[in-house]
Parts: sequence; C-alpha cells; structure tokens
Amino acid sequence: GAVVSQHPSWVICKSGTSVKIECRSLDFQATTMFWYRQFPKQSLMLMATSNEGSKATYEQGVEKDKFLINHASLTLSTLTVTSAHPEDSSFYICSARDGLAGTAPDTQYFGPGTRLTVL
Amino acid sequence: LAKTTQPISMDSYEGQEVNITCSHNNIATNDYITWYQQFPSQGPRFIIQGYKTKVTNEVASLFIPADRKSSTLSLPRVSLSDTAVYYCLVGLRGSYIPTFGRGTSLIVHP
Repeated sequence: GAVVSQHPSWVICKSGTSVKIECRSLDFQATTMFWYRQFPKQSLMLMATSNEGSKATYEQGVEKDKFLINHASLTLSTLTVTSAHPEDSSFYICSARDGLAGTAPDTQYFGPGTRLTVL
Repeated sequence: LAKTTQPISMDSYEGQEVNITCSHNNIATNDYITWYQQFPSQGPRFIIQGYKTKVTNEVASLFIPADRKSSTLSLPRVSLSDTAVYYCLVGLRGSYIPTFGRGTSLIVHP
C-alpha cells in the first residue's frame, strides 16, 4: 500500500526556536496533504489543508504565521512551527490523499507522526 | 460535512467478534464511509471503506444499511493487538476534508 513518511519522528526544542517537520508520500503523488495535531487522549484536530503549488488553507483558530506550511512538490509538504512554546508540544500527523491510483476510491494515508516537545 | 457519532469506548475479550457502530444521519448521496485504526503515538491506519451494503477485506467487514445513516465495523475474533481507537469518517470521494470525531476506544482483555 501507499506509504507516507514523516521526519523527524520526535524532536525536543527550546522555547522560541523553530522546528520543521517533513511529510513525504513515498510511492504516490499527493496533490493534497493534511496536517493534524493530537493532544493526549484526544482526537486528531485538523490544522490545515495543503495543496501542491498553492497556499495552505488553515482551519479556524490555527495561526498561519505560526504554523507555516509549504507544499512545493507532489511528494513533499513541510510544517514549520515558528517560535515554538511549551503549549505547542503535541503529536503532529500528516496525511496524503492518493487521488491517482489508490486501492480504494478515496483513501487517506497517514504518516507515523512527529512528537514535538518544547521545553 | 456529515457528522459522525460513535460510542466512546468498548470492551471485549480475545476471540470475540466486535461490532462498532457509527451514526451519520446527514450523510450525502455521494459520501463514502471510511474506518481507521489508531494505536498510541502512531498515525491512523486505513481499515476499510464502503458506500453501501457490505464490504469485506482481510481484517474487517463493513455493514451499511440501505438508508446509509449508520455503518458497523465488524472485527472478527479480536486479539489483544486490536486494542486501539477506531474512527469512522464520512466524506465525498476525492474532495472531502477528513475530520475526526472522538472515535471509539476498544480495549481487548485476555
């Protein structure tokens, strides 16, 4: 099946620094990728929809200047958490839609997630 | 977007069949129903997807009644490793924005 990777799998940073998380679709092209955040014992919260070659669409309440999303190619989207603070500590998950040759009509494939801890 | 409602938690024992029902009263004509499984500190994993009637794959079955206002994920003979959170999502093929409800936390006991 289709595989989505994320890098790094975990990161610890100091407050005020910026952190970049990469999301790659390894064996398919993804015109659309999604970024989620998940706090402990909670569901996934959609942060933004990322379309290749265009600006991301952010969900209400998500600061676009703090969470910079770039989708420069059909296989790579990046999320940069700028000036991170302890409250940004969370589990960040990306997903990619395989709209070209998926095994199901419309399947989202999720990355393994990135654990961000801001000290 | 069709909103989904699932039980918050379920308990079962090894070897039993588990059925998790999801309500989606506002499902649209072209919406598909997709189920995901998530283990702690991992991304969700696709389980099964369907539009109507019954779909079966190597890990689960999905039952969808004629009115499509609900769906039931059936896990045959669960094992301890099936302990996870299960989410159902509903959306239009190819263009929906996947949003997650609270999911169902399934605990399988020895």
